[in-house]
Amino acid sequence: QLQLQQSGPGLVKPWETLPLTCTVSGGSVTNANYYWGWVRQPPGKGLEWIGSLYYSASTYYNPSLKSRVTMSIDTSKNQFSLKLSSVTAADTAVYYCARHGSGWLHYFDSWGQGILVTVSS
Amino acid sequence: EVVLTQSPGTLSLSPGEGATLSCRASQSVTSNFLAWYQQKPGQAPRLLIHGASRRATGIPDRFSGSGSETDFTLTISRLEPEDFAVYYCQQYGSSLWTFGQGTKVDIK
Repeated sequence: QLQLQQSGPGLVKPWETLPLTCTVSGGSVTNANYYWGWVRQPPGKGLEWIGSLYYSASTYYNPSLKSRVTMSIDTSKNQFSLKLSSVTAADTAVYYCARHGSGWLHYFDSWGQGILVTVSS
Repeated sequence: EVVLTQSPGTLSLSPGEGATLSCRASQSVTSNFLAWYQQKPGQAPRLLIHGASRRATGIPDRFSGSGSETDFTLTISRLEPEDFAVYYCQQYGSSLWTFGQGTKVDIK
């Protein structure tokens, strides 16, 4: 069974870079049928798609965050990563990694456990 | 950007009752590429429905989705205690995938 395990800091200082990693088990990040993405949820609020990437390293970002987002994939470790630069308090949220289908099947069928990242000095 | 508006914000019901949740899109959703998720406190969302009406693997048949173009509905035929949660719709028909703001189904 597919599992996505997230890791990263729970606290990041303003204007620094938020780094998160998602390690996949029970499946491969090189599976051509899937993309790997990130979704965030500010406390008490709704969900926002951040971006997604494919095993070939093709990336798709939410235009509202594109200038600050970098995503990468490490096929040797079966994991993918997110970096969000120049964070502010508005970036405080639970960050989820998730899988979605390729082609037009961009619904998220498997999710990580989520990490609450707080931006504060 | 396709804006999804969910209503009502909160639905207060009793176990055994039926629930009808609405998701309205600001423009037509391509090929009815709309999904529904359930989220319980402290948990990640869980996929319920994709393609507007297709139940995800393992989802009970009391959950059903319907609708097209700009108006979509999630129906829960008889609420079980474990169904009290927040429900989100998501469209994936455009290049920017967006979610609704959620409908909370709580116990009356």
